Amino acid sequence: ETGVTQSPTHLIKTRGQQVTLRCSSQSGHNTVSWYQQALGQGPQFIFQYYREEENGRGNFPPRFSGLQFPNYSSELNVNALELDDSALYLCASSLGQGEGYTFGSGTRLTVV
Amino acid sequence: GEDVEQSLFLSVREGDSSVINCTYTDSSSTYLYWYKQEPGAGLQLLTYIFSNMDMKQDQRLTVLLNKKDKHLSLRIADTQTGDSAIYFCAETVFNDYKLSFGAGTTVTVRA
Repeated sequence: ETGVTQSPTHLIKTRGQQVTLRCSSQSGHNTVSWYQQALGQGPQFIFQYYREEENGRGNFPPRFSGLQFPNYSSELNVNALELDDSALYLCASSLGQGEGYTFGSGTRLTVV
Repeated sequence: GEDVEQSLFLSVREGDSSVINCTYTDSSSTYLYWYKQEPGAGLQLLTYIFSNMDMKQDQRLTVLLNKKDKHLSLRIADTQTGDSAIYFCAETVFNDYKLSFGAGTTVTVRA
């Protein structure tokens, strides 16, 4: 059974650019969530996808968008990057609520 | 602001017990979780407890839940150097799948 894999592991982008981060969920998991973890803080919920539909969204602007594919993998897209978008982006998959969320190792995004 | 609060730092001697505390505000919490994060890594689920339970034990880990005070603790017995990490408390509430995290407690194990 493979866990959650994220790519790339590190990324440097320039302010104003766009970025796509990718996540493969754990085998059998149909729900994917994305979190932003700024340095020294706890992760903040961005949004969640269940069966290819957005199923909840945190306090993030519309330039943060996502997709979930039929194989339950997911993408996080961020447009018009700002310096404050520099963070560790974590993907988590789960099979419903309460079973525990399995996290990937994250993508470290640096915006310069 | 955070709905989940934790103390920021804990220093413990190797072999002693560590107790990490967390308070939460939402009375409709359903599950409460403890995650571990080592430097440069993602989050590792350590354990979780359903909100109608008082205690859960899993090897060296003991979770205690005081629903009246909305207080959650994680006790690590016989703390080892490999336990040095940041520990996050998190909750989910009824009908909402998102995890709400605290800011994390940095645990340093000294020899």
